[in-house]
Amino acid sequence: DTEVTQTPKHLVMGMTNKKSLKCEQHMGHRAMYWYKQKAKKPPELMFVYSYEKLSINESVPSRFSPECPNSSLLNLHLHALQPEDSALYLCASSQDAAGTYNEQFFGPGTRLTVL
Amino acid sequence: AQSVTQPDIHITVSEGASLELRCNYSYGATPYLFWYVQSPGQGLQLLLKYFSGDTLVQGIKGFEAEFKRSQSSFNLRKPSVHWSDAAEYFCAVGEMEYGNKLVFGAGTILRVKS
Repeated sequence: DTEVTQTPKHLVMGMTNKKSLKCEQHMGHRAMYWYKQKAKKPPELMFVYSYEKLSINESVPSRFSPECPNSSLLNLHLHALQPEDSALYLCASSQDAAGTYNEQFFGPGTRLTVL
Repeated sequence: AQSVTQPDIHITVSEGASLELRCNYSYGATPYLFWYVQSPGQGLQLLLKYFSGDTLVQGIKGFEAEFKRSQSSFNLRKPSVHWSDAAEYFCAVGEMEYGNKLVFGAGTILRVKS
């Protein structure tokens, strides 16, 4: 299995809602990533998890809360989002996140709309 | 910090014509370079990568790219474009020293006319 899966594909939420995005991989990778891609822009890194520990937080607002319950699963909890947070959220995984460069495999993304 | 420049925002080519998409990077050491393709509303698919070795890299879907250290470039080429190649193409450089982070260029939107 060489896939990264993301659910849901689409999500519409109000500014007072709490929702979660889910990402899963079964490639035995030990590093997982969240990227945010605004319309007509390239993806930008949000978080890196390495061996289930948060290793990089790119100064992301606290209304985005990542969680890595195990090595195959990565969640992104959303609370009190703003309309400008509407974007495509991409998850990726790689063999590792240190030592030598490791290719990242991307999921199809979750299209988030905040009303 | 590393950066990637894709000077062409849009490119239009005729089906069957050749294609070259430009990419320049800024990085102090040997770069890890990638080309990804993204169809509208979809995730990213890796076309090819350069880590070291042969500077001409073959990828999927008939794409190739050439790493030129002297020009800090990693241009993507395809000898004959198909209508299904219409998409957005991102060049990226990997920062091994910073958690494997990928830094993307702004992207080039390819339109194919029949």
